Amino acid sequence: DAEITQSPRHKITETGRQVTLACHQTWNHNNMFWYRQDLGHGLRLIHYSYGVQDTNKGEVSDGYSVSRSNTEDLPLTLESAASSQTSVYFCASSARGGNTEAFFGQGTRLTVV
Amino acid sequence: AQSVTQLGSHVSVSEGALVLLRCNYSSSVPPYLFWYVQYPNQGLQLLLKYTSAATLVKGINGFEAEFKKSETSFHLTKPSAHMSDAAEYFCAVRNRDDKIIFGKGTRLHILP
Repeated sequence: DAEITQSPRHKITETGRQVTLACHQTWNHNNMFWYRQDLGHGLRLIHYSYGVQDTNKGEVSDGYSVSRSNTEDLPLTLESAASSQTSVYFCASSARGGNTEAFFGQGTRLTVV
Repeated sequence: AQSVTQLGSHVSVSEGALVLLRCNYSSSVPPYLFWYVQYPNQGLQLLLKYTSAATLVKGINGFEAEFKKSETSFHLTKPSAHMSDAAEYFCAVRNRDDKIIFGKGTRLHILP
């Protein structure tokens, strides 16, 4: 079965360190998204990609970057981790257009100390 | 860009009672709307989606939602709540640029 997997599931890092969260999907979807989930804010879009070599900023992109070198992967990098980036991060993918839904990974809980 | 607003960050209902979770969208064109459910420590799972083929959409686990253009609403209902329905529910809209934007979520509590 096709799936979308995130790793690691839990991560503790120190302020100022660079951190990369992995996302891998086997749906062969063109669209991939990164969200962060915080109490009272729901899911907020960080970055998204419509295909290989395409990346776009979402509403909360400061301090984050992504790269898309193949269809399956969209790693999320925190350039210099800050305590405000402590959150649960979700990766999702979807096919293009219409009312096609997004499929989500299980999430990565990141704590910045 | 389109957006959705969920009314009520927490909703409590008794087991066996009607569940009603509210979602309003902002759009001047027919939107693509979704409801997702999130159980503790898990990712989001699709409950149902509006396809424009019918205004009443049936989803998994006995949930359904009615699209009302005149009210710009897409409320989620279930006739009889079960303890296993306790979770967080998200309404979402897909914009024409394929971005999927979520509401802030409603946590459903089921009282025994």
